[in-house]
Amino acid sequence: DADVTQTPRNRITKTGKRIMLECSQTKGHDRMYWYRQDPGLGLRLIYYSFDVKDINKGEISDGYSVSRQAQAKFSLSLESAIPNQTALYFCATGRRDRSSEQFFGPGTRLTVL
Amino acid sequence: KQEVTQIPAALSVPEGENLVLNCSFTDSAIYNLQWFRQDPGKGLTSLLLIQSSQREQTSGRLNASLDKSSGRSTLYIAASQPGDSATYLCAVRLITGGGNKLTFGTGTQLKVEL
Repeated sequence: DADVTQTPRNRITKTGKRIMLECSQTKGHDRMYWYRQDPGLGLRLIYYSFDVKDINKGEISDGYSVSRQAQAKFSLSLESAIPNQTALYFCATGRRDRSSEQFFGPGTRLTVL
Repeated sequence: KQEVTQIPAALSVPEGENLVLNCSFTDSAIYNLQWFRQDPGKGLTSLLLIQSSQREQTSGRLNASLDKSSGRSTLYIAASQPGDSATYLCAVRLITGGGNKLTFGTGTQLKVEL
């Protein structure tokens, strides 16, 4: 079984709809991250969390919100989706130690029409 | 602001060839550098992690080097195989900002042909 899972894997929605992307991990890591990937721009950090109930903004948090209700779960919400939020979204986890590596989920491809 | 650049953006080589992928970064105050592989429709697989105090790391046919002072890392792939075809990403973890995020390059798309 995968250590970091994301649901759904693909989603097509319409402008203005509320969307939630889910991430679960079995690695027991404290830190969880949400990134988005756009062609030619690389991955950019949206939000990250050090522990349950801890939330921190990344470099592109506008239009997004997150929730960390349990150590193993980190959800990303688009309150009112817009077309330029069409992207590949990745969840990642890491240990508390900053020298450790990050582990990524398989990604969610989101299309906003 | 940290910028990470990967050259070339795309590379096509015949099977069996040794190759080098390049990654450069502008801010040398890093905790570590991580190389990833991304296959179409799939997530990122961590290949190698080099701490700022290390010069290189090896895993099988892969060898990654780090020259922090010059802001460069290379990923060397020996005896390339068609299964190595993927996009390779490098990412650095900055000391500033608490080391809370990775800054990614835009990747090198590698194709190994039979």
